Amino acid sequence: AQKVTQAQTEISVVEKEDVTLDCVYETRDTTYYLFWYKQPPSGELVFLIRRNSFDEQNEISGRYSWNFQKSTSSFNFTITASQVVDSAVYFCALSEAQGGSEKLVFGKGMKLTVNP
Amino acid sequence: DGGITQSPKYLFRKEGQNVTLSCEQNLNHDAMYWYRQDPGQGLRLIYYSQIVNDFQKGDIAEGYSVSREKKESFPLTVTSAQKNPTAFYLCASNDLGADTQYFGPGTRLTVL
Repeated sequence: AQKVTQAQTEISVVEKEDVTLDCVYETRDTTYYLFWYKQPPSGELVFLIRRNSFDEQNEISGRYSWNFQKSTSSFNFTITASQVVDSAVYFCALSEAQGGSEKLVFGKGMKLTVNP
Repeated sequence: DGGITQSPKYLFRKEGQNVTLSCEQNLNHDAMYWYRQDPGQGLRLIYYSQIVNDFQKGDIAEGYSVSREKKESFPLTVTSAQKNPTAFYLCASNDLGADTQYFGPGTRLTVL
């Protein structure tokens, strides 16, 4: 069975600190996708990134960066120089590609609070 | 603007009543999904649909029903058989073969 573990449930930092959100996954599939979503207090899930299992290249987008390591089954997310607007719940997710419908398996989420 | 709309944002119902949550998308996506989120929990899949007039159960389908009569609409009915319906419900959609799901703003259902 596929599983996503976000061991940290809640983190609180001061603005401008760097913070890393951990994500560890389990799957027997050789082809899969990993995702990060942000859920601000309004509740809507905002897509941040998708990474396929064949692409281990790290990615940087502004203050956000992602480190994908198949050897440790991890897909960690780092926010550099955090800002108050980064306060949200962040979810890591794994897709099961079955017959064209991509079922997502989510971790339990990690609540990030960035204090001014 | 293209997107996914869910209504209402907040919904209150008495125990024992059925209630239907709306989800509409104008992204021309083939697949649509319903998830349930409980406090401190990740999202769990209730139902999904890849094509009009067809849908499949997710991991927690008991006590819920859906229909997909139109491509753009995927309403979810929370029946009286659902033992603990108070939760945040999120609808999502994507193109078949495109893995990224996009989400609506959610409906917070409270059963009194």
